[in-house]
Amino acid sequence: GNSVTQMEGPVTLSEEAFLTINCTYTATGYPSLFWYVQYPGEGLQLLLKATKADDKGSNKGFEATYRKETTSFHLEKGSVQVSDSAVYFCALSERTGNQFYFGTGTSLTVIP
Amino acid sequence: DAGITQSPRHKVTETGTPVTLRCHQTENHRYMYWYRQDPGHGLRLIHYSYGVKDTDKGEVSDGYSVSRSKTEDFLLTLESATSSQTSVYFCAISERGETAIYFGEGSWLTVV
Repeated sequence: GNSVTQMEGPVTLSEEAFLTINCTYTATGYPSLFWYVQYPGEGLQLLLKATKADDKGSNKGFEATYRKETTSFHLEKGSVQVSDSAVYFCALSERTGNQFYFGTGTSLTVIP
Repeated sequence: DAGITQSPRHKVTETGTPVTLRCHQTENHRYMYWYRQDPGHGLRLIHYSYGVKDTDKGEVSDGYSVSRSKTEDFLLTLESATSSQTSVYFCAISERGETAIYFGEGSWLTVV
């Protein structure tokens, strides 16, 4: 079946530190992969996506590369800001049926 | 932002009473979903719809029913609310061929 596993949190970093949040997946086919971000009191927002192997999704300084050989889609940012404090969710979708599978979320706190 | 409106945004209700949450979209997307989000459980799919009058169960559908009489509206009903249904409920939409899913801002439900 399909599933997503992401690193446990919470993660606390100092401003300007390098961020990595690990995500691995299990899929029966060739899924699309996503990172979503949730700020306090809000819904999930699409941060970036990749639809095929070796694609790199990027947005707002965040990047993730679709690695089929390691079934991974790790989120990275070179220099985090206090405003990046949020919960980050890794997700996948099958190409058909519009079913989505989410990780449990990783809470990130960035301190000045 | 995706045109998704959830109502009510906040509700407190008593055990045993019926509750209906409404999701309204202006994107004309085919697929609509109801998720609940709880600490330690991440996002869990309750029900989803793949067209008008076409719905199916998710992983935590017990105690919930849904209806979709128009493309733009997807209703979630708790027939007899219980304290275990205290949660944040998110509506989401997606479209065939569009790989991402988009979320509303959430409905906070407290059952006392």
